[in-house]
Order: sequence, then structure tokens, then C-alpha cells
Amino acid sequence: RKEVEQDPGPFNVPEGATVAFNCTYSNSASQSFFWYRQDCRKEPKLLMSVYSSGNEDGRFTAQLNRASQYISLLIRDSKLSDSATYLCVGGGSGGSYIPTFGRGTSLIVHP
Amino acid sequence: NAGVTQTPKFQVLKTGQSMTLQCAQDMNHNSMYWYRQDPGMGLRLIYYSASEGTTDKGEVPNGYNVSRLNKREFSLRLESAAPSQTSVYFCASSKSGLAGVAPNNEQFFGPGTRLTVL
Repeated sequence: RKEVEQDPGPFNVPEGATVAFNCTYSNSASQSFFWYRQDCRKEPKLLMSVYSSGNEDGRFTAQLNRASQYISLLIRDSKLSDSATYLCVGGGSGGSYIPTFGRGTSLIVHP
Repeated sequence: NAGVTQTPKFQVLKTGQSMTLQCAQDMNHNSMYWYRQDPGMGLRLIYYSASEGTTDKGEVPNGYNVSRLNKREFSLRLESAAPSQTSVYFCASSKSGLAGVAPNNEQFFGPGTRLTVL
């Protein structure tokens, strides 16, 4: 069982929709969490860090729920350009930050 | 700033050949990482270097070796390539390899090397 689990999708949504992804993690000692975006045949790029208090960046909101051991990403008013794979990452316990990536969730936004 | 650079971008090897993938970063980051990405498997950590002078195994280290040549450069070597090592390889760096301060753990990735082993 992978330490970080994501629904691979694809999530197929119309422009303007709100879509949410969840990601569960098994290591309760994990300290740092992130969402990355990866376009086809490109490198992952940092989308946002995830904090317990929740954080927002424009149309994107990320949340961390330590009690239930999951992180979430909410995208409002989806754009065609949001089509990509979204990777969640967790890691960091016992001193070293050793990241574990989920397998990614595919999002397709259609007109 | 170039960020994280990787060479080569593409490579085809025959089984048993060796090669070294090069990675360099110009962000003065302490930590560097090598991943492989296969369809349906996501990114898997091969080796990482929390700081200059240290290297540690990740999830899938077998068949690979690494060298942290200096703070900027972190190379990945395949001594005897196998078809199972056909993959896309990404190098990444972050400010710190210590857990607990999330912004320091944000990773920046190179463009990747697409390796095919026949």
C-alpha cells in the first residue's frame, strides 16, 4: 500500500465548475505537504504548500486534516488551462524530509 | 537563473550499457533528489542528498548509484542498464532536507531525461 493515495480519475468537468481532490496519507508523523501540477510530458511544478490552517491562492484552496490524515485541493471556476495531473506529496518525520508522491489525479476541463 | 538543469534530455541504451545522468541547480539549495516516473506508478524516489556530502537510498535504489559532486551537482549512474530502467528521470532540489519547515521543503524539478533501454 502506497503511503500517499490519490484517486487517479480522470475528473472530467466543464469550464466554470468547482472540483475537489483528496489525498490520504498513512504516515501520521508526516509534517510537510504540497500539491504539484504536472502537464503532459513535463516536469512537476509546485502549485501550493498545504497548511493545517488551510491556504488559498486565487481559485485554489488547499487544506490539511491531520485527524483524518488527508489533504485536499479545491479548484473553483475551472479553466481549460487547469487540465493537468495534480500530484500530492507528503513527507518529513524524524528529522529528514523524505517526500512521498501520490500517483496523481488527472483533471480534464472541457468547454 | 536556470533553476534545475538535466542532461541529456533523451537517451537510448542497450542492455548492459552504462551511463550517467547529470543534474545541476543554481539556487544554492542544500538538498537534491532523483526520481523515476513510470506510467501508473507516479514519482518514486531513487536516491536523495539532504546536504552536500551525504546521500541516502530512497524507495527504489537498486541498479543505481549517485554522487553529490558539490553543492550544485548531483549525478545518477546506471552501471549496467536493464529494460526495467526504461523511464523518465527527474532531478529536483529544495532549500532543506530537514523536516518541519514546509517552505524549505518545496521542490523544484528539472525538465527530465527520457531513457529507453533496449
